[in-house]
Amino acid sequence: DVKVTQSSRYLVKRTGEKVFLECVQDMDHENMFWYRQDPGLGLRLIYFSYDVKMKEKGDIPEGYSVSREKKERFSLILESASTNQTSMYLCASLTGANEQFFGPGTRLTVL
Amino acid sequence: AQSVAQPEDQVNVAEGNPLTVKCTYSVSGNPYLFWYVQYPNRGLQFLLKYITGDNLVKGSYGFEAEFNKSQTSFHLKKPSALVSDSALYFCAVRDIRTGANNLFFGTGTRLTVIP
Repeated sequence: DVKVTQSSRYLVKRTGEKVFLECVQDMDHENMFWYRQDPGLGLRLIYFSYDVKMKEKGDIPEGYSVSREKKERFSLILESASTNQTSMYLCASLTGANEQFFGPGTRLTVL
Repeated sequence: AQSVAQPEDQVNVAEGNPLTVKCTYSVSGNPYLFWYVQYPNRGLQFLLKYITGDNLVKGSYGFEAEFNKSQTSFHLKKPSALVSDSALYFCAVRDIRTGANNLFFGTGTRLTVIP
């Protein structure tokens, strides 16, 4: 079975802190994605990566960056966290059957 | 531009009754269509997809969806709802013409099954 893990289920940070959200998949998938989920807005794509060291901006990349140094790991970075980045963050990887498989999510609160 | 619309924020249905969660899409080419379900404090779980072939697609937990090209719809259905089906449901579309693997998600529909 595909497994996507995220480093934290819940995270509380202060405004201005640098925040790292880690995502690891164990199925050698090339494509990985970071979304944020907000009530009434659904899921919005922040960044995605189609290979090691390759990244593309999604719909809402402002305030975020990503890193993909190894195939199995895709990290989302908030350079200077702000309160409007309080959200649920979901990582996914793409299976060979064209299905995105999601991790459990990280609920981030920025105070 | 690609988009997905879920016109209902909330759907309530009595246990044992049939349920429908609506989804319409807009893409330039032929679509890949997906339904995902999210239980409280969990990530999204894949339910079913339409890529090509039979317009009626069967998925997990007894759910099915019908692809209707003329109405650009992909409604999720189940003949008999269970209380355990109560969750948040997302429709998503991928435009295969672009070659990208991104999904565009709807805003979600919260299904409540009343005992």
